[in-house]
Amino acid sequence: LAKTTQPISMDSYEGQEVNITCSHNNIATNDYITWYQQFPSQGPRFIIQGYKTKVTNEVASLFIPADRKSSTLSLPRVSLSDTAVYYCLVGGMSRDYGGSQGNLIFGKGTKLSVKP
Amino acid sequence: KAGVTQTPRYLIKTRGQQVTLSCSPISGHRSVSWYQQTPGQGLQFLFEYFSETQRNKGNFPGRFSGRQFSNSRSEMNVSTLELGDSALYLCASSPSTVNTEAFFGQGTRLTVV
Repeated sequence: LAKTTQPISMDSYEGQEVNITCSHNNIATNDYITWYQQFPSQGPRFIIQGYKTKVTNEVASLFIPADRKSSTLSLPRVSLSDTAVYYCLVGGMSRDYGGSQGNLIFGKGTKLSVKP
Repeated sequence: KAGVTQTPRYLIKTRGQQVTLSCSPISGHRSVSWYQQTPGQGLQFLFEYFSETQRNKGNFPGRFSGRQFSNSRSEMNVSTLELGDSALYLCASSPSTVNTEAFFGQGTRLTVV
């Protein structure tokens, strides 16, 4: 499973766009890139997942360059409630197990602090 | 649709005791994974169950075990508790299809004294 590297912390202000970049140099062909958000004393919450190029949903965008060795989570117009730890995960789904979820390797995450 | 439910939410145990934690996945989800979260080590994978079979296992001692029932509910057991087992234990469930997200419960906060 590929190891990920992301900044330990980031600061931002309300209304700004926040970009968190994750490095995963050893990503494998069948690995997907997934981002989770975690608030204190709660379980992580899925934000977005992608394989290549760009993925967008109602809360974030995920940019993945052609070599897939890095990815950037983009949070548009953050608010105070976006203060949390953001985890970048790289891993393949266990296709040979009929689609079961493989184990998730969480790094240290990026602690995002949004200030008023 | 109900989310992942973990019971109990909080637990205090004495060193040397054993503990059993329970996880009820989202209805229809067949995969259940367990994670340990501590301030020092972060989130670490314990094991994953799919259709009552352990599919993956993390790097934890044999004191940590689990099982999954036919209704996909899962339990994890920790025997001979140590102070270092104090942590937030999280359960996640996923549907059976590929490339799907994991849904986490709120966790069980275990304190070993």
